[in-house]
Amino acid sequence: QSALTQPASVSGSPGQSITISCTGTNNDVGGYQYVSWFQQHPGKAPKVMIYDVRERPSGVSSRFSGSKSGNTASLTISGLQAEDEAEYYCSSYASGSSPVVFGGGTKVTVL
Amino acid sequence: QLQLQESGPGLVKSSETLSLTCSVSGGSMNTYNYHWGWIRQPPGKGLEWIVTMYYRGTTYYNPSLESRVTISADTSTNQFSLTLTSVTAADTAVYYCARQRTGSLRIDYWGQGTLVTVSS
Repeated sequence: QSALTQPASVSGSPGQSITISCTGTNNDVGGYQYVSWFQQHPGKAPKVMIYDVRERPSGVSSRFSGSKSGNTASLTISGLQAEDEAEYYCSSYASGSSPVVFGGGTKVTVL
Repeated sequence: QLQLQESGPGLVKSSETLSLTCSVSGGSMNTYNYHWGWIRQPPGKGLEWIVTMYYRGTTYYNPSLESRVTISADTSTNQFSLTLTSVTAADTAVYYCARQRTGSLRIDYWGQGTLVTVSS
């Protein structure tokens, strides 16, 4: 069981916007501005899409945006494209015995 | 451009020890700004953080794996290594090495990953 809770799947049509949630506690997501989001295509290593809740690395499309409210972080993909179909994972810094925690992953399907 | 490359046996027998090395190129491990870690992903499953270290020795462990995990670094060769003892089929996974930012421990670079299968 993952420390952070994500929906198993989210789908949308090309051009639409979708949002993936990532729910934790005051000891991780809610307590720090250190949430990251990763995109993973089958057979590939994860790729950083968002870090520090809402920051985008150089080269990542502006269609990807992050936010946080309380203990829940969110990744929004705007103008959904076929290439966005992938697994998405959230991660957060956490206090306590495990300083790095992941969500269970969300499969994004472009209809 | 930083690159991380995992290497090691792709097949390990049950009850034996898994050993992997991560070679870092395009940057030095001898820096305050970064930590170095391992993450794994069983086939068809999600990501699991294993361990993270600072080159001067501070180490953070996943409590569920701590008793079986060792991480070490050789800054002269810019490599760090993972050993996992007493492996079982549940340890079959793709193992990734990663660079993590000091403070937040956020992952900013990933290796390509290497599949390790535990056989009986």
